[in-house]
Amino acid sequence: EVQLVESGGGLVQPGRSLRLSCTASGFTFGDYAMSWVRQAPGKGLEWVGFIRRKAYGVTTEYAASVKGRFTISRDDSKSIAYLQMNSLKTEDTAVYYCTRIIVVVTATPDYWGQGTLVTVSS
Amino acid sequence: DIQMTQSPSSLSASVGDRVTITCRASQSISNYLNWFQQKPGKAPKLLIYAASSLQSGVPSRFSGGGSGTDFTLTISSLQPEDFATYYCQQSYSTPWTFGQGTKVEIK
Repeated sequence: EVQLVESGGGLVQPGRSLRLSCTASGFTFGDYAMSWVRQAPGKGLEWVGFIRRKAYGVTTEYAASVKGRFTISRDDSKSIAYLQMNSLKTEDTAVYYCTRIIVVVTATPDYWGQGTLVTVSS
Repeated sequence: DIQMTQSPSSLSASVGDRVTITCRASQSISNYLNWFQQKPGKAPKLLIYAASSLQSGVPSRFSGGGSGTDFTLTISSLQPEDFATYYCQQSYSTPWTFGQGTKVEIK
């Protein structure tokens, strides 16, 4: 059974940093790209970014709203994807979901974790 | 960026009703369109990928259609467990973008 478990969320002050982890199980982690999607309280879904698998150079793409502040990385030996968030702003307050990406015709986030809440406030 | 616009933003329907949600892209995205269902406090769940392919385990009352800029999600006979918010999402180009959501409520 595919499982994704996010951790590392919490309350953080503006300007500080936080690192989220996404621990995967039930599939060969290194064979898949992974993404992060967030949802501000009461709002819709916003793509944060993704990281390709090793065969595609472990390259990353980011939303403009986080580019230069957030970094996605992965450790295939541990089956973990990370989201390093620096220079946090109050508007980064959201539930952060990690997703697996499958490519069947189109790239699709097929499995999602339960999410972890990040609150940026002084 | 490609803008995704869903309509309606919300709707009220009864159990057994046929429900259709539309999603329009600001430019052609071929069939690079996914649909998700989200219930309160839960993660989104993939329903349809590549515009019309049913994800494994999803009931056949859900169907998707369209290509280019105009897409639909249809629930042929609404069930109590289908009351939720539905999102479309394009993966044609980055940044990936979502529609604003359609909330399906009980009439």
